[in-house]
Amino acid sequence: QVQLVESGGGVVQPGRSLRLSCAASGFTFNNYAMHWVRQAPGKGLDWVAVISFDGGTQYYADSVKGRFTISRDNSKNTLYLQMNSLRAEDTAVYYCAREARSAHDNWGQGTLVTVSS
Amino acid sequence: QSALTQPASVSGSPGQSITISCTGTSSDVGGYKYVSWYQQHLGKAPKLMIYEVSNRPSGVSNRFSGSKSGNTASLTISGLQAEDEADYYCSSYTSSSTRVFGGGTKLTVL
Repeated sequence: QVQLVESGGGVVQPGRSLRLSCAASGFTFNNYAMHWVRQAPGKGLDWVAVISFDGGTQYYADSVKGRFTISRDNSKNTLYLQMNSLRAEDTAVYYCAREARSAHDNWGQGTLVTVSS
Repeated sequence: QSALTQPASVSGSPGQSITISCTGTSSDVGGYKYVSWYQQHLGKAPKLMIYEVSNRPSGVSNRFSGSKSGNTASLTISGLQAEDEADYYCSSYTSSSTRVFGGGTKLTVL
């Protein structure tokens, strides 16, 4: 079965960096585009970024453009999110999600990122 | 990249039907058939309920249905059950090749 497991969350000071990982299993990873979606405490879903199946194309939400970088290593079946210049408003649970039929058909359990001094 | 507009809350009694609207623009909801809906129970990851406006993934009850007219998409849940109580989010592909979510709707089963 499809499994997505995020890791790398934690508490970080404003202005610092953090890298999230999402380990994928149960499907052919390099056949699918992948997304990061976040959810601030008590708030709604907020789309962050997408990367194509081969890593050649990426798109970002305006709120993270220039600070976050989505990447993938298809040899390791792993998706990444490099987050730089973190702000308090980046505090959220970060989910990775697989794209199928232009929807997010499978989600991980999420990893919490807290940006605080 | 403004969020799609959903009602903050809706409610219904068991057995009734409810509809949740999702309003965007011609650059997202109105321009593409790529509207999806997600159910999220408290403390859980979202679950895909509808894709491409009106299609149900395998395993999703046929009590859930989707539609679209112009810039507004809708999710209808018929025969409400207690287990349907959750937050619901719409999402759309956009003309910038990004995605956008709605603000979410809290469904209460009375």
